Amino acid sequence: GQQVMQIPQYQHVQEGEDFTTYCNSSTTLSNIQWYKQRPGGHPVFLIQLVKSGEVKKQKRLTFQFGEAKKNSSLHITATQTTDVGTYFCAGRITGGGNKLTFGTGTQLKVEL
Amino acid sequence: DAGVIQSPRHEVTEMGQEVTLRCKPISGHNSLFWYRQTMMRGLELLIYFNNNVPIDDSGMPEDRFSAKMPNASFSTLKIQPSEPRDSAVYFCASSFGRLNTEAFFGQGTRLTVV
Repeated sequence: GQQVMQIPQYQHVQEGEDFTTYCNSSTTLSNIQWYKQRPGGHPVFLIQLVKSGEVKKQKRLTFQFGEAKKNSSLHITATQTTDVGTYFCAGRITGGGNKLTFGTGTQLKVEL
Repeated sequence: DAGVIQSPRHEVTEMGQEVTLRCKPISGHNSLFWYRQTMMRGLELLIYFNNNVPIDDSGMPEDRFSAKMPNASFSTLKIQPSEPRDSAVYFCASSFGRLNTEAFFGQGTRLTVV
């Protein structure tokens, strides 16, 4: 079945440092979404990418969808303590309907 | 809209008991997803419905798990009999349309089977 892996599994950074998480799918995706889950909370939608090679920015966050539509990345510039949480990618495979499969997640901790 | 509503928020039950988790999706949404989250396995998709019809239940662990969606505003996930390894946070999520739409998650039900 479809697998969506993320690396790293955990990341500790000092406030102000950059952070990147990578998402890789075993199958081609029709689109990729990113979610953030705060400790004790539920996943909250951040953004969706649809086109091959697409890049989107939200303030300090930059999202990229690979040319082959099988990988994606999230980069945070100058992390802040409010960025703490687990970041998930989630993808729909081409021809897979509305089935949304989540990646394994990257847990980010930011220290002062 | 109040968002996706799940109940109960917490459930502690003894092994062998039946457990029923409930979900009310956002009004107007026609896709509903049940996920299970554990430290070991992350966020697993158990089953999803489109227009109240189960489309993919390949993630349902075994026959002890069953899910229903009798109408557009209500879904249940039942575990019978429950086992300690079922302990997890169960999330319900809903979305509008079939593709290219975000999923809205409920607060989750934390299930502990002792």
